Formats: sequence, C-alpha cells, structure tokens
Amino acid sequence: KQEVTQIPAALSVPEGENLVLNCSFTDSAIYNLQWFRQDPGKGLTSLLLIQSSQREQTSGRLNASLDKSSGRSTLYIAASQPGDSATYLCAVPWGGYNKLIFGAGTRLAVHP
Amino acid sequence: AAGVIQSPRHLIKEKRETATLKCYPIPRHDTVYWYQQGPGQDPQFLISFYEKMQSDKGSIPDRFSAQQFSDYHSELNMSSLELGDSALYFCASSSSESEQYFGPGTRLTVT
Repeated sequence: KQEVTQIPAALSVPEGENLVLNCSFTDSAIYNLQWFRQDPGKGLTSLLLIQSSQREQTSGRLNASLDKSSGRSTLYIAASQPGDSATYLCAVPWGGYNKLIFGAGTRLAVHP
Repeated sequence: AAGVIQSPRHLIKEKRETATLKCYPIPRHDTVYWYQQGPGQDPQFLISFYEKMQSDKGSIPDRFSAQQFSDYHSELNMSSLELGDSALYFCASSSSESEQYFGPGTRLTVT
C-alpha cells in the first residue's frame, strides 16, 4: 500500500524567506510525482511534475527534487511572497491505472 | 488549451436527495478519475475509467455510481445523500500514464 506523508503540516514565515517542503512515500516504484497548490475551498493547481527518470524540475521560483530510492521529494520555494500562501500537496500515481495518492498537505502562510 | 470542465460548480441538496456531477475531460485523454475532498482532508480517489470502461475503484459508497459515455464525458451519480457527502468533487483526466489534469471541482453541500 502506498502512503504519502508531508512535513511540516503547517508553516508560517515572513516574506522573503526560502522554504523547503517535504514529501515522502513508502513505495518507491513510482513513475512520477506531482506537486499541487490549493487555495482555500478552491481547485488543485498543478505546479510541477517530476518523472521518475528526473532528479529535478524547475518552474520560476519553484524547484522540486525527487529521490526515488529514499522515497522523498522536496519542493523548494525561493524568496517567498504573501501570494504563495496556500496548501501545497504532493501526490504519486499508484496501482494499475495510476490513481493519485495524496499527502495531507503543508499549509503555508507568508506574512508581509 | 482546453481544460477539464466540471458542472455544476456548486450544488446544494437536501438529505436523501440525488445529485449528478458531470465531467468533460481534455480531448484525446483516455482516462478519467473522480476524487472526493472533504473539509480539511486531502483528495481521496473514488473511481476511474479507461476508454469508457471502469478501470479502478476506491472507497466509493454503494450509493454512488459513475459511468463514462461514448463522447468520453463522465457522470458521478450520488443517491440517498448524507450530510457527510458534503465535499469538493474533482474530476481529472490523463493520457496514458502522463500527468493528471484536474477540473475546478464541484462543491456539493448537503443540508
């Protein structure tokens, strides 16, 4: 069974800090990992997809890394801004038809 | 680019009523997924379809059923609604083991 854990559960930081969000998974036989952003009561915005053959993926101030052998992924947010405040979820596909298994998320608050 | 479309965006029903949620996947995507996200929870997989056939099933109550039609749109039918069914329901689509693209969700409130 695949289990996904995210640490920390919540994070409150001043604007401008560089942040690290962690995601771990128990079954390393994954072929990709997705990071999502979710604003309160809203939909899921896909931020980054890392294929199992990749080590890193970058988009603007976001950088995600994947270490399959250790079952870990890290989302790095550079120079955080209040607009980054949201819940960040990681998810891995699992099972024959690749349903996504989500972590519980990291709730981020960036204050001015 | 076309995205996943869900309708309605908001739905209010009373207990014991029936609700139907619709999903229109991205054209040429062969797989559709349904997820349920309760308040303060992470999304939980309900059911999926590959080429119009049910491919996988999660913790979906027997009161719920779903199907995918010849035009690839999918419908999630929920009967005998309970207060605990109040949630965000997401549909996602993908093409052959690639990234899943999510719709904006339907917020169902059961009163």
